[in-house]
Amino acid sequence: GEDVEQSLFLSVREGDSSVINCTYTDSSSTYLYWYKQEPGAGLQLLTYIFSNMDMKQDQRLTVLLNKKDKHLSLRIADTQTGDSAIYFCAESITGGYNKLIFGAGTRLAVHP
Amino acid sequence: DTAVSQTPKYLVTQMGNDKSIKCEQNLGHDTMYWYKQDSKKFLKIMFSYNNKELIINETVPNRFSPKSPDKAHLNLHINSLELGDSAVYFCASSQARAYGYTFGSGTRLTVV
Repeated sequence: GEDVEQSLFLSVREGDSSVINCTYTDSSSTYLYWYKQEPGAGLQLLTYIFSNMDMKQDQRLTVLLNKKDKHLSLRIADTQTGDSAIYFCAESITGGYNKLIFGAGTRLAVHP
Repeated sequence: DTAVSQTPKYLVTQMGNDKSIKCEQNLGHDTMYWYKQDSKKFLKIMFSYNNKELIINETVPNRFSPKSPDKAHLNLHINSLELGDSAVYFCASSQARAYGYTFGSGTRLTVV
């Protein structure tokens, strides 16, 4: 079936690294995404990774993909208070249409 | 500004009423979507249109009817509103899998 799972909460100290984890079920997903949602706002695409990659780095963000375990992670280096938000993992379901299945979101709280 | 815009941002209405939410994108994307986000932040796809044609229709009560007059617009009409329809409804658009979705800022619907 179509399912994406994430832990619901993560609390980190400002300046530390944050790692948000996600598992997905569709082994033939071609793209996997990380979105950020701030309070009262829509979802903002942070980064994505193509399934033939193991890692992607974009400034403070590092995405790791383990296809064998169907595990995706997002590492945020030097976490700041402005990073406090809900982070959603999503997989693009194979088939003719670009249908995204989202996880329940991980609420990241950054404290001083 | 290039964006996905939804109106209204907030909608408070009584049970049994009929209401519409409008969505417009000026990104030139071919595909548009409606997602529902519940109080636990879980996002679920409802509908998708590709170039005015309905391509995804998830298990949604038939009180919900999408309409796409052209590929830049996707509206959502809801009949006989129920308390359980209270949620945030997000419109999104996409062009290619690699770039994920661009989301609107959401419409918070409260049924009283």
